[in-house]
Formats: sequence, C-alpha cells, structure tokens
Amino acid sequence: DAGVIQSPRHEVTEMGQEVTLRCKPISGHDYLFWYRQTMMRGLELLIYFNNNVPIDDSGMPEDRFSAKMPNASFSTLKIQPSEPRDSAVYFCASSVLGIYGYTFGSGTRLTVV
Amino acid sequence: QKEVEQNSGPLSVPEGAIASLNCTYSDRGSQSFFWYRQYSGKSPELIMFIYSNGDKEDGRFTAQLNKASQYVSLLIRDSQPSDSATYLCAVKELGNTPLVFGKGTRLSVIA
Repeated sequence: DAGVIQSPRHEVTEMGQEVTLRCKPISGHDYLFWYRQTMMRGLELLIYFNNNVPIDDSGMPEDRFSAKMPNASFSTLKIQPSEPRDSAVYFCASSVLGIYGYTFGSGTRLTVV
Repeated sequence: QKEVEQNSGPLSVPEGAIASLNCTYSDRGSQSFFWYRQYSGKSPELIMFIYSNGDKEDGRFTAQLNKASQYVSLLIRDSQPSDSATYLCAVKELGNTPLVFGKGTRLSVIA
C-alpha cells in the first residue's frame, strides 16, 4: 500500500494566486481529513469527509478555502485567493470508520509570498 | 472548545533513561486517546492508542490513561537518540467525531 499520497510536496506562490492541494487516501478508508499545521496553532482540523460527503467544515478559516471529494480516491483543498497567513504545512489523513488512528500523508508545505 | 494540553518542551533526557510525556484534555466525553510521533519535516505517525483506564505496553512504549483525572501519558523506556521528535497527543469522543490534537512536546534524547 502506497499510503496517503499528497501533491505537491512544496508550493510557493504569490499572494492572490489560486492554490490547489491534492490528496489520494488509502484504498478502503472511508474517512478523509484535511489538517493545517503551524508552529503557533499546531495541527488544526479544516474539514473532513465520510464516504466522500463533507461532514464538518467548521474549521475552514474563511470562504477563500474550499474542499471537494469527487470520489473515494481523490480530494482537493483549494485556496483562492491565497494570502501570506495561509503559509503552513497542509496534511491530508485517512482512516477506517474514523475510530482508529489516522494515517497521514507527507504533507504540502505552502509558502505564500 | 475541546482542548488538549501538552508541555511544549523541549524535554531533554539522557540516552537509556525513561522519557515521560504528559497530556491533559478538557472533554470528559473523550473515549479514545492516541500518541503520534513527528520527526522534523515529516508527517505524524501513530505510535499507539489506548481506550481503557490503566496501562498499555507496546515494546519500549507504555501509554497510561486516567479518565477521572483527564490525563494520559506516554513513557518511553531505554530512550534512544532516534526517539528525538515531537510527540503529539490526540483525543477522540465516541462516535463520528474527529481527533483533536495537542500542540506536541519536543523530546530530545542526548547521547
């Protein structure tokens, strides 16, 4: 099993540009989570899906953030327009039933200049 | 607001010693508890989880849970320099709820 796959690994973009982060969960996992990690705030949950349906997006900081999961093997997190304060590491994680520990992807380090 | 608190550290221990990492949580409805290890620049990886009061051992790692005190800890015996990392505590309520993570404790094992 290849694990949770995220792309890109690093993204540097200019303020105001659109950024799209991608995630492929582990096959058979029915939960997918998007987290953001910064030194100041630690790991923050942005949104999570169960069977491709968004369950809770209350962690999405602003309307500039949106996430989709069109099928069981793919999810995107989009930021439009991006701002310097969005700079962080974004992790995708997946889980079976949501009751066991999560498996994290390698993360996307986003820098907005 | 559910909170998971950890001392940020760094916690420095000599090689071969026992490292003790602590975590407190605010939500009495929490049912399951997880410890993750995160090396610098890497993603969190699950070390172990515990559901019941008491101790759970897995190799050099022991998780301890006290629900009455809302306290969970991780002991690492015979600490090695390779154990140097940030350790994240995560807590989950029963049912369809996500993990809530603490900010982590940075452990440094000195050779």
